[in-house]
Amino acid sequence: QVQLKESGPGLVQPSQTLSLTCTVSGFSLMDYSVHWVRQPPGKGLEWMGRMKYDGDTYYNSALKSRLSISRDTSKSQVFLKMNSLQTEDTAIYYCTRQGALFDYWGQGVMVTVSS
Amino acid sequence: DVQMTQSPSNLAASPGESVSINCKASKSISKYLAWYQQKPGKANKLLIYSGSTLQSGTPSRFSGSGSGTDFTLTIRNLEPEDFGLYYCQQHNEYPPTFGAGTKLELK
Repeated sequence: QVQLKESGPGLVQPSQTLSLTCTVSGFSLMDYSVHWVRQPPGKGLEWMGRMKYDGDTYYNSALKSRLSISRDTSKSQVFLKMNSLQTEDTAIYYCTRQGALFDYWGQGVMVTVSS
Repeated sequence: DVQMTQSPSNLAASPGESVSINCKASKSISKYLAWYQQKPGKANKLLIYSGSTLQSGTPSRFSGSGSGTDFTLTIRNLEPEDFGLYYCQQHNEYPPTFGAGTKLELK
C-alpha cells in the first residue's frame, strides 16, 4: 500500500540548515510527484515545494531562496533542505503524494527551531 | 497568491446533524477546490477535489459544491469519526494555498 514517512531532526538551531527525508513505498517517484507542506503549531497548512515525477522542482516563492528539494529514485526518497532557519520555521513538516490531488500524506515530523 | 478564507473557524454539532463549511477564494479558481480532514495522530485525508468529486473512500454523506470564488463542504448525518479539522485548498494555480481551517467539535 502507499506510504510516505518523513524523518529528520526534531531540533534545529537558529541559522542552521534543516534536512528532511521522505521515504515512500507502494509507488514510484518516477510516476508521481511529491510535495512538501508544513504547519506551524496551531496554524494552517503552507505549501513549500514540489518534486515532479520527471525530476523538475518548483518552490513557493516565499521560500525559494532558502529551499532545495531533491530525490534518489533508487531509494524511493525525496529530500528537503532549507537553510537559515528561524523560530518561525518551527512546524510539522509533511510530504504528500500528488495523485488526484494530495491523496496520501505522511504523518509529519515536528521540527523545532531553538537554541 | 490566491488567498483562501474559511468560515466558520469553529463549529459545534451533534451526531446526526448536518453542517456546512464555507471557503472563499480571493479570485476565481473555477471548480478547483479540495477539502481535507485532519485528525490527531492520523494522516491528512483528501475528501473532495475539483469542487465536488469525492475521493475514493470518502463516504457519500460528504458533498462539495461551488465554483468561481465560493465553495461549501456539507456533511450530512454526522458520524462520531467526522469531528476534527477541515481545510480547503485551491488547486487551480501554483502555489497551492489552503484555508486557515475549521474545527468541527462535538456539541
